[in-house]
Amino acid sequence: NAGVTQTPKFRILKIGQSMTLQCAQDMNHNYMYWYRQDPGMGLKLIYYSVGAGITDKGEVPNGYNVSRSTTEDFPLRLELAAPSQTSVYFCASSYSSGYSGNTIYFGEGSWLTVV
Amino acid sequence: AQKITQTQPGMFVQEKEAVTLDCTYDTSDQSYGLFWYKQPSSGEMIFLIYQGSYDEQNATEGRYSLNFQKARKSANLVISASQLGDSAMYFCAMREGGTGTASKLTFGTGTRLQVML
Repeated sequence: NAGVTQTPKFRILKIGQSMTLQCAQDMNHNYMYWYRQDPGMGLKLIYYSVGAGITDKGEVPNGYNVSRSTTEDFPLRLELAAPSQTSVYFCASSYSSGYSGNTIYFGEGSWLTVV
Repeated sequence: AQKITQTQPGMFVQEKEAVTLDCTYDTSDQSYGLFWYKQPSSGEMIFLIYQGSYDEQNATEGRYSLNFQKARKSANLVISASQLGDSAMYFCAMREGGTGTASKLTFGTGTRLQVML
């Protein structure tokens, strides 16, 4: 029963490097999300997707890109990493309809440090 | 304007006592949802409870209940019979739009709860 799986769990990047955070869910959820959490703060939405091939910006999309080629996967790409992107990244997913859509399943988080 | 406000950065409670964590929200939508999450020191986000704006009764889930006062735009979390394992960060969050819309959550800054013996 995997749920939402994020990799890697920890990563250190140098300024200007690029990387992709992987996210996969096995619950056949249409909706997927990427959030970031800065120290001492709540989560902020980076990007979200309502289905394969459909993505949209959240509150803090600058410096990131996403794609959704399948229902299961929703990778987050960081281009030209900056120290301001040091954060904990959470992937999440949910159903698209019904009351069960109010349960959002989060991955365990990916700790990213840019130095 | 801040949409979710948690005014208590930290709270202490004695074991077995009840505690209320405050949350106020701001939205012009008629249909919205309110969530509470627990984040222990290990970092994962644990869903606790959900309240829809049209739900007539306050939500309850075991020892958790949500005191929903729509006119005052507040959605306080009540934890009864606190346990040491309840020590964690607690976040209030809101989704604008009803059930079935994408859960683009807006989070508050959190309240750190410490349960004491």
